Amino acid sequence: KNEVEQSPQNLTAQEGEFITINCSYSVGISALHWLQQHPGGGIVSLFMLSSGKKKHGRLIATINIQEKHSSLHITASHPRDSAVYICAVDTGRRALTFGSGTRLQVQP
Amino acid sequence: GAGVSQTPSNKVTEKGKYVELRCDPISGHTALYWYRQSLGQGPEFLIYFQGTGAADDSGLPNDRFFAVRPEGSVSTLKIQRTERGDSAVYLCASSLRGDGYTFGSGTRLTVV
Repeated sequence: KNEVEQSPQNLTAQEGEFITINCSYSVGISALHWLQQHPGGGIVSLFMLSSGKKKHGRLIATINIQEKHSSLHITASHPRDSAVYICAVDTGRRALTFGSGTRLQVQP
Repeated sequence: GAGVSQTPSNKVTEKGKYVELRCDPISGHTALYWYRQSLGQGPEFLIYFQGTGAADDSGLPNDRFFAVRPEGSVSTLKIQRTERGDSAVYLCASSLRGDGYTFGSGTRLTVV
């Protein structure tokens, strides 16, 4: 079993929809990261969380340490949000452990 | 520099050849990480440097892979006797204290 599981693997939404991507992990962590990767592009860090909730523009990330679960929400989704969203955890073992990503396609 | 720079952005090589991939981290970032990402998968850890030394190389798949960071800045990932299975995007990231990571755009390696 992977240490970091994301769901769904693929998601198609209509422009304007509210989107939720989930991440569950099975190890102790010091922080959890949400990352965005566009086709052919590098990875951009969206959030780093160790507790609670963070908001940046239309993006919201939450984490429940007791349940070992995090969610990334996108409000009023737009086609430019189409990308792969990756959850990664920092276990203190000196390197991030990544989920396999959620491929989001927002259709106009 | 302003970001993490990786060169080349694309590399096509023949099976059995030797390749070098370069990562230029953010100035002052002491930690440098190499990851490998296959199509449809999340990145997998290869090696981590703290300064000049490899603090953790447990992710290197075999002894054909080697990485150096001689002056604690630029790092080179070296792959000998390349195989088709080595084809992937190789990502580099740097960090100051592990409290935030900046990723490069990756090198797409294709072994034909």
